[in-house]
Amino acid sequence: KQEVTQIPAALSVPEGENLVLNCSFTDSAIYNLQWFRQDPGKGLTSLLLIQSSQREQTSGRLNASLDKSSGRSTLYIAASQPGDSATYLCAGEYNFNKFYFGSGTKLNVKP
Amino acid sequence: NAGVMQNPRHLVRRRGQEARLRCSPMKGHSHVYWYRQLPEEGLKFMVYLQKENIIDESGMPKERFSAEFPKEGPSILRIQQVVRGDSAAYFCASSPGVVTTNEKLFFGSGTQLSVL
Repeated sequence: KQEVTQIPAALSVPEGENLVLNCSFTDSAIYNLQWFRQDPGKGLTSLLLIQSSQREQTSGRLNASLDKSSGRSTLYIAASQPGDSATYLCAGEYNFNKFYFGSGTKLNVKP
Repeated sequence: NAGVMQNPRHLVRRRGQEARLRCSPMKGHSHVYWYRQLPEEGLKFMVYLQKENIIDESGMPKERFSAEFPKEGPSILRIQQVVRGDSAAYFCASSPGVVTTNEKLFFGSGTQLSVL
């Protein structure tokens, strides 16, 4: 059974700090791993997608890595801002088009 | 190109009534997913559909819940005889089936179901 775990469940940091969010998965036979952001009461916004053949993807201040052998992905946020406060979710795609979500990391960036 | 459209945005039902949630996928997307999010919890997979077919319903409760994605029109998630425990945010997502951009799963804004 595929399971996706995110640690920590919550994180509070001062503005400007660099931070890392962790996502681990039990099955290394993953096709893609996608990171999302969810604001309170809103839907999910896609941030980055890493295909199984890739090791990392970058978009602005965000960098996501994927290590299939260890079953881990990380989302690195540089120079955090209060506007980055949200819940961050990772989702692993298995069996083509079947996605499993972690419970998320709730991030609070303090001004 | 409109995104994934869900309606209604908020739905209030009394116990025992039926709830119908609608989802129109992005144009060109033939894969639709329904997820449920309980308060302070993660997203739980419910069902994966393609046009006129249920591909995987392993996350659907055995009773009262059903989903369809007809040849024409939106996907419908139907909950019969709702109970208070059905109160949650229900999210729909669609996918083109292949990675064409830096995204593969696209979400709607969700329907917040409240059962009184």
